[in-house]
Amino acid sequence: EVQVVQSRAEVKKPGESLKISCKGSGYSFISYWIGWVRQMPGKGLEWMGMIFPGDSDIRYSPSFQGQVTISADKSINTAYLKWSSLKASDTAMYYCARLYGSGVGDSWGQGTLVTVSS
Amino acid sequence: EIVLTQSPGTLSLSPGERATLSCRASQSVSSSYLAWYQQKPGQAPRLLIYGASDRATGIPDRFTGSGSGTDFTLTIARLEPEDFAVYYCQQYGNSPYTFGQGTKLEIK
Repeated sequence: EVQVVQSRAEVKKPGESLKISCKGSGYSFISYWIGWVRQMPGKGLEWMGMIFPGDSDIRYSPSFQGQVTISADKSINTAYLKWSSLKASDTAMYYCARLYGSGVGDSWGQGTLVTVSS
Repeated sequence: EIVLTQSPGTLSLSPGERATLSCRASQSVSSSYLAWYQQKPGQAPRLLIYGASDRATGIPDRFTGSGSGTDFTLTIARLEPEDFAVYYCQQYGNSPYTFGQGTKLEIK
């Protein structure tokens, strides 16, 4: 069974760094892209970017380029989303998803809620 | 970047009725790489349709996707109580991938 499991909720202060994770199981992790999606409170879905763990090819949406870093460790079937300096406006639910074919999220993580508040 | 515009913003219908949701793209979507997702409160999105018209595994046949180019439609033939949710379209033919703003399907 394909499973995508994300790390737990985080509460951080502005300026702090954070790395959240997304672990895939039940399939060949290196053969599928992993995508990251932001959902701000009460708002819609926003595409952030994606990574192909097999060769670490990474593609960012222009809106998120330079704001976050996407990475993966294929030895432990885990992808990451990292911030070096959080802002209050980063408060959101972050989802990762296994991407089928060219970019369809067919298996989603449960989401990681990131709260940034002083 | 392709902008997807969904309409209506909110759709109020009763169980048993037919729902028609629209997704219009600012430019042609390559190879009909258009997907539809359903999201219920407190849950992750769930894939319904990909390739504009292919149902994902386990999706009931009352859900039908259609369209090509810049105009796409999700039709729910006979609404069940569990279908009331927010629906998003997504294009994955052109980088960066993008989502529509969503249509909320609510019980009338």
